Amino acid sequence: NAGVTQTPKFQVLKTGQSMTLQCAQDMNHEYMSWYRQDPGMGLRLIHYSVGAGITDQGEVPNGYNVSRSTTEDFPLRLLSAAPSQTSVYFCASSYGTGPKETQYFGPGTRLLVL
Amino acid sequence: KNEVEQSPQNLTAQEGEFITINCSYSVGISALHWLQQHPGGGIVSLFMLSSGKKKHGRLIATINIQEKHSSLHITASHPRDSAVYICAGCYNTDKLIFGTGTRLQVFP
Repeated sequence: NAGVTQTPKFQVLKTGQSMTLQCAQDMNHEYMSWYRQDPGMGLRLIHYSVGAGITDQGEVPNGYNVSRSTTEDFPLRLLSAAPSQTSVYFCASSYGTGPKETQYFGPGTRLLVL
Repeated sequence: KNEVEQSPQNLTAQEGEFITINCSYSVGISALHWLQQHPGGGIVSLFMLSSGKKKHGRLIATINIQEKHSSLHITASHPRDSAVYICAGCYNTDKLIFGTGTRLQVFP
């Protein structure tokens, strides 16, 4: 199993550009989530999904969009990048429909917005 | 005030020392996770606890739900234990809220 994969590993964007961060898992996990990690702050939840076709907002959803058309994939879209979105982004997945089970994290995507 | 707080923020130890990292939370949770993040960024799950105590190798995690407190202990610490340790509480069955992490450095 590849586990949780994320692409790209690193990306530089200009303000106003859009892009999609990819996340995929091959463990048939129902629960998937996106977090951002900024210096001095804990991981913060952006969006999450409890199964295909179901998504919901987390703590910091503004400027981001998600969809969950399959169990395996959970892409995160930046609609119009801003310097405040410079961060490291982690995708995670787990069994069940909530984060009470062991979390499996992707390797992260480092995003720089100029 | 963060809903999940960790202490200390930074911790330095000599190889072989017993280490304790603390996590407290201000509201009720259904479970608590301990995670490890090595330099270079990868995050690995160490424990998920809803009560009592769990042990894996040299790592021990405990939780007291009533006192809203959890601890992560490392026995016989080793330089390879150097990492950031993060606790996260599971709220409302569908979200995790994370502490800011404890940076541990173990010197030979």
